[in-house]
Amino acid sequence: EIVMTQSPATLSVSPGERATLSCRASQSVRDNLAWYQQKPGQPPKFLMYGASIRATGIPARLSGSGSGTEFTLTISSLQSEDFAVYYCQQYNNWPLTFGGGTKVEIK
Amino acid sequence: EVQLLESGGGLVQPGGSLRLSCAASQFTFSNYAMSWVRQAPGKGLEWVSAISGSGDSTYYADSVKGRFTISRDNPKNTLYLQMSSLRAEDTAVYYCAKVFYPSGSNLFDYWGQGTLVTVSS
Repeated sequence: EIVMTQSPATLSVSPGERATLSCRASQSVRDNLAWYQQKPGQPPKFLMYGASIRATGIPARLSGSGSGTEFTLTISSLQSEDFAVYYCQQYNNWPLTFGGGTKVEIK
Repeated sequence: EVQLLESGGGLVQPGGSLRLSCAASQFTFSNYAMSWVRQAPGKGLEWVSAISGSGDSTYYADSVKGRFTISRDNPKNTLYLQMSSLRAEDTAVYYCAKVFYPSGSNLFDYWGQGTLVTVSS
């Protein structure tokens, strides 16, 4: 099983600042990496696939990078709607696995 | 707009059984693989099971293998998860999720609102 590790667990950021979230895979997943956002009481929302391709309607201030085992989600200028928990997911191998999540909170 | 509506959750005793359903609409259901993903209270996401569009292929997490069975009824546009020998650690919100591409990659573009399963005596 591929273990996905996200860091930090919690990120405290002021609105307008940049946030950088990390996701590491225990073995290569090539670019088969997706990102999701989840707010309290809601299902996850699809953000990105192929490590760096934004889903429809996702603003350009969100960007993804990386391949192999190291991935990053960057939010260039945090807006109020960006404060949430973010999960990465690898879809290169069975079983599908998610990272433990990074909570982006208001500083 | 794609809609996924889960039902069937509730309180069940350890060792009991439950069947979850997910009614899908606004897309060609049989063209897409589907999955169940769960989230224990206050915890992260855990993939549970997947099924191909035709229903011929199924996949399970080790934590549920041999206890849970995924299935689908394409004419009824409905996904199922039959859960048996339930344990306290199966307590979670269960989401059904649609894959992004009609074939291949198992990432999810639409999720239902979830149904809560509580396993407790």
